[in-house]
Amino acid sequence: DSGVTQTPKHLITATGQRVTLRCSPRSGDLSVYWYQQSLDQGLQFLIQYYNGEERAKGNILERFSAQQFPDLHSELNLSSLELGDSALYFCASSAGGGPDIQYFGAGTRLSVL
Amino acid sequence: SQQGEEDPQALSIQEGENATMNCSYKTSINNLQWYRQNSGRGLVHLILIRSNEREKHSGRLRVTLDTSKKSSSLLITASRAADTASYFCATVLRTNDYKLSFGAGTTVTVRA
Repeated sequence: DSGVTQTPKHLITATGQRVTLRCSPRSGDLSVYWYQQSLDQGLQFLIQYYNGEERAKGNILERFSAQQFPDLHSELNLSSLELGDSALYFCASSAGGGPDIQYFGAGTRLSVL
Repeated sequence: SQQGEEDPQALSIQEGENATMNCSYKTSINNLQWYRQNSGRGLVHLILIRSNEREKHSGRLRVTLDTSKKSSSLLITASRAADTASYFCATVLRTNDYKLSFGAGTTVTVRA
């Protein structure tokens, strides 16, 4: 158990809908990262937050947004969902804002029908 | 685009044999990390090797790093059925963000 909790584990929804994925980092970790894993794109970095502030952005679509709350949990919001958004979404956390080991949650499997 | 590329894409070995997989990357790194993923589950961190290190060991795992060739290798010795998984290398670049850039992974199957 990595200590990173992601909910829900599975999500099935329809095109055009909006969903929220939730992540609770390991106790004491200040950084949260979101990654998307799909068959065609592999593992792609989406966005990073450090202590409530956005630190870095990767290949995140404009339809996607995220935030990190004062208690350090994070949410990834996906809107106007398309079939191609079906993927595994991982959250990872690390202790600080540096090049540390990242601890991954079990992921949320999103299926857009 | 992916920073790292693993080779081979897939590997099948007998229990007790060693497994070696390689990772090549394109730009200067701060560190390189190896992760394991069991079928559709979360990634588990295995080893982190910094750019000024050449070799690291952890149990049955040995990682080497050659920054002049921009490559790394992961050796799993005396493999077990439980080692069956996908293995990913991930690089952290020398930038102000510390995201992981993953390769496509090597799928390892250990036959009993």
